[in-house]
Amino acid sequence: AQSVAQPEDQVNVAEGNPLTVKCTYSVSGNPYLFWYVQYPNRGLQFLLKYITGDNLVKGSYGFEAEFNKSQTSFHLKKPSALVSDSALYFCAVSSRGGGSYIPTFGRGTSLIVHP
Amino acid sequence: EAGVTQSPTHLIKTRGQQATLRCSPISGHTSVYWYQQALGLGLQFLLWYDEGEERNRGNFPPRFSGRQFPNYSSELNVNALELEDSALYLCASSLEYGTGTYEQYFGPGTRLTVT
Repeated sequence: AQSVAQPEDQVNVAEGNPLTVKCTYSVSGNPYLFWYVQYPNRGLQFLLKYITGDNLVKGSYGFEAEFNKSQTSFHLKKPSALVSDSALYFCAVSSRGGGSYIPTFGRGTSLIVHP
Repeated sequence: EAGVTQSPTHLIKTRGQQATLRCSPISGHTSVYWYQQALGLGLQFLLWYDEGEERNRGNFPPRFSGRQFPNYSSELNVNALELEDSALYLCASSLEYGTGTYEQYFGPGTRLTVT
C-alpha cells in the first residue's frame, strides 16, 4: 500500500516570507510525486511533479519542491509568498512495481498568507 | 483548449434517491477518474475508466458505479443515496495508462447534498 502524510493541517506565513508545505510518503518501488493546489470552490490544479532526475523540481507560479529519498519527503517551497497563494495544497504519490499507478492523495494543507 | 467540465455544479437529492453526475475530459485524454472529497478527508479515489472500460475502483460500495462513453465522457451514478454521500465529487482526466507518471487535470466538481 502507498500513503501520503501532510503533517500540518494549516500553515501560516507572512507575505514576502518563504513558505514550506511538508509532505512525506510511503511506497513500494520508485515514487512518482505530485503537488496540486485547490482554490475555493474549484477543482485541483497541477503544480509540479517528480518522476526521475534532478531532486529539485520547479513548477508553476514560482513553486518548487525537493525530493529527498532518504527522508521520503517531497516538501513544497516558495521563496517569497503572495497573499494569492492562499489555498489548499495536496501532495500525491503513485508508483510502479509494487505500488499503485493511481495516485494517493494526502489530506491537504491549508496555506494562509497574511498581508 | 477547454479543460475538464462537470455538470451539474450543484445537486440536491433526498436520501434513497439516485444521483447522476457527468464529466467531459480534456480533448485527447482517454482516462477519466472520479474522486469524492468529503470535508476533512482529502480525496478518496472512486473509479478509473479508460477506453470505455472500468480499470480500477476504490473502496466504495457497489451503489457507486459509472461508465465511460465512446467520446470518453463519463458519468458517475450513486444509487440509494445516504446522508454521508454529501461531498464534492471531482472528475479528472489524464493521458495515464499504467505508468503512474502523468498528472491529472481536474474539473470544478459537483457538490452533492443529500437531505
